Amino acid sequence: DQQVKQNSPSLSVQEGRISILNCDYTNSMFDYFLWYKKYPAEGPTFLISISSIKDKNEDGRFTVFLNKSAKHLSLHIVPSQPGDSAVYFCAASARDSGTYKYIFGTGTRLKVLA
Amino acid sequence: DAMVIQNPRYQVTQFGKPVTLSCSQTLNHNVMYWYQQKSSQAPKLLFHYYDKDFNNEADTPDNFQSRRPNTSFCFLDIRSPGLGDAAMYLCATSRDGLGITDTQYFGPGTRLTVL
Repeated sequence: DQQVKQNSPSLSVQEGRISILNCDYTNSMFDYFLWYKKYPAEGPTFLISISSIKDKNEDGRFTVFLNKSAKHLSLHIVPSQPGDSAVYFCAASARDSGTYKYIFGTGTRLKVLA
Repeated sequence: DAMVIQNPRYQVTQFGKPVTLSCSQTLNHNVMYWYQQKSSQAPKLLFHYYDKDFNNEADTPDNFQSRRPNTSFCFLDIRSPGLGDAAMYLCATSRDGLGITDTQYFGPGTRLTVL
């Protein structure tokens, strides 16, 4: 049973517009969330994170919003650039046997059109 | 640059023939993780080492083993690969895995093909 869900496998956005990637989770015990970006032939790289005590975290063009009551988070990219074209993974961090582990979603492939 | 390195990047093996995937890191991190990612699926944690302590996920098949001879290196051994084991295998590290904000850093992955 998937605890972290990314229901949109792909998304296409025009350059300069906003990209919104969504993620839902089921376990209310998750208290830290991350977004990773993955280019072809490379490993996932950390992009931005948010703690459950916040509802927004911003880093340059990237903003993550967290709605705890809805168990939903989203990543906003403004303005979108062709170099943002990649697969984006949402992850939730959970403590298990003393260490924190990540539970990933299936990813959303973003294509930014020039 | 400090990094996580995986070798080989592509590995082809035959059904039932043991195979070893390698991961090394220059970050001097205490924790090393192995994930399996099949096509269009989420990366799935197989196991991790906290220093020398091995932690297996409950649903990781016995066919998968791991070794960590020192801080820098970690190996994934698949004793008898089946066709269903064809996947991308990702290695990751984190400083200590004890802090909620302790970020994981990933290698580029090894794509395993089983013939």
